Amino acid sequence: DQQVKQNSPSLSVQEGRISILNCDYTNSMFDYFLWYKKYPAEGPTFLISISSIKDKNEDGRFTVFLNKSAKHLSLHIVPSQPGDSAVYFCAATPSNFGNEKLTFGTGTRLTIIP
Amino acid sequence: EAGVAQSPRYKIIEKRQSVAFWCNPISGHATLYWYQQILGQGPKLLIQFQNNGVVDDSQLPKDRFSAERLKGVDSTLKIQPAKLEDSAVYLCASSIPRTGRRNTIYFGEGSWLTVV
Repeated sequence: DQQVKQNSPSLSVQEGRISILNCDYTNSMFDYFLWYKKYPAEGPTFLISISSIKDKNEDGRFTVFLNKSAKHLSLHIVPSQPGDSAVYFCAATPSNFGNEKLTFGTGTRLTIIP
Repeated sequence: EAGVAQSPRYKIIEKRQSVAFWCNPISGHATLYWYQQILGQGPKLLIQFQNNGVVDDSQLPKDRFSAERLKGVDSTLKIQPAKLEDSAVYLCASSIPRTGRRNTIYFGEGSWLTVV
């Protein structure tokens, strides 16, 4: 039972263009969503998050959009840079402030083409 | 600030053997997690500690996996006996539990296990 789904295993984008990574979830109890970035042979690192009370959160080149009615979120990276090439995991957790329990998607491998 | 430390980084064992992984969380982080990431999948939570108490171990295969955090700091994850399907990266993570506030979970680099 995959509660967090990333249906695109891989994505290639030209440098300077926009990268859009998508994530869907099924559990209505999830109300906090995160994106983690993972380089080979390293652990995931936190990138950006969004609470269910918002529909958009922006941090520099990274923006996360949340559509609660569709149970869908997306990560936009603009402009894309070669250093953005990594695997991106979407994660979600229910309303347990201070006791987060992350459920991860299967990841999308983003390749930025110079 | 030092990150989450894990060892060993890589381990190859034969099936039915045992293995142990060690984790030292970020200083001051009371919450410690062990995740299992099988190739091509996202990390899956195995067990969560708050100080030296278990908060959630519902997805830990208790017939072969065990974990402890005796003094509320370091933690050890053991697999005995190992099966082929245990081949994965075992990620340790930690966070500061702050009631009423969201916490960032920090991951270590992982311990890569291959069971042959």
